[in-house]
Amino acid sequence: QSVLTQPPSASGTPGQRVTISCSGSSSNIGSNYVYWYQQLPGTAPKLLIYRNNQRPSGVPDRFSGSKSGTSASLAISGLRSEDEADYYCAAWDDSLSGSVVFGGGTKLTVL
Amino acid sequence: QVQLQESGPGLVKPSQTLSLTCTVSGGSISSGDYYWSWIRQPPGKGLEWIGYIYYSGSTYYNPSLKSRVTISVDTSKNQFSLKLSSVTAADTAVYYCAREDSGYDGIDYWGQGTLVTVSS
Repeated sequence: QSVLTQPPSASGTPGQRVTISCSGSSSNIGSNYVYWYQQLPGTAPKLLIYRNNQRPSGVPDRFSGSKSGTSASLAISGLRSEDEADYYCAAWDDSLSGSVVFGGGTKLTVL
Repeated sequence: QVQLQESGPGLVKPSQTLSLTCTVSGGSISSGDYYWSWIRQPPGKGLEWIGYIYYSGSTYYNPSLKSRVTISVDTSKNQFSLKLSSVTAADTAVYYCAREDSGYDGIDYWGQGTLVTVSS
């Protein structure tokens, strides 16, 4: 049971816009930054979004993050086949001695 | 370009101690700008943060693993290490070492991961 809650799966067709939600509480998302990681099959996770809505250099602007209260979302526009991956949200949690907590992950399928 | 590489046994017997080392290249582990982390992923499951160490030796651990985890750093070798004691089959996972920016910019570099299986 993950501290942050994500839907286990999401899907879309090429070119579509897809959003993935991440729900937490006041001790994590509600009071700390949210991060998103993309994990392609068989590879290590890659930082996609930091500080709620910032993209590292090299991440396409098709990826965007937002946060409101104790929830956050990752949006992917202009969906491509190479976006098929697992996506994880993460945040610090003040109630767990400053631990990092992850969502359970969302498997995105491009139909 | 910063690179991280995990090393250690791929098979550990139940009740024994899992030991892994992460070698950092392309950057100094003594930089005060980063935390050096361990994260694991059981086969087919999600990510679990184990803990991290600062170059000074300060550590933060996942409360659920705290009683069994020790993370240490060797700045002379530009390495940091993980020890997890009293392992069971539930500790079977891919273990990643990673670099986390201390300025809230996220976990920006990851090792490739190493599978550790707990089995007799």
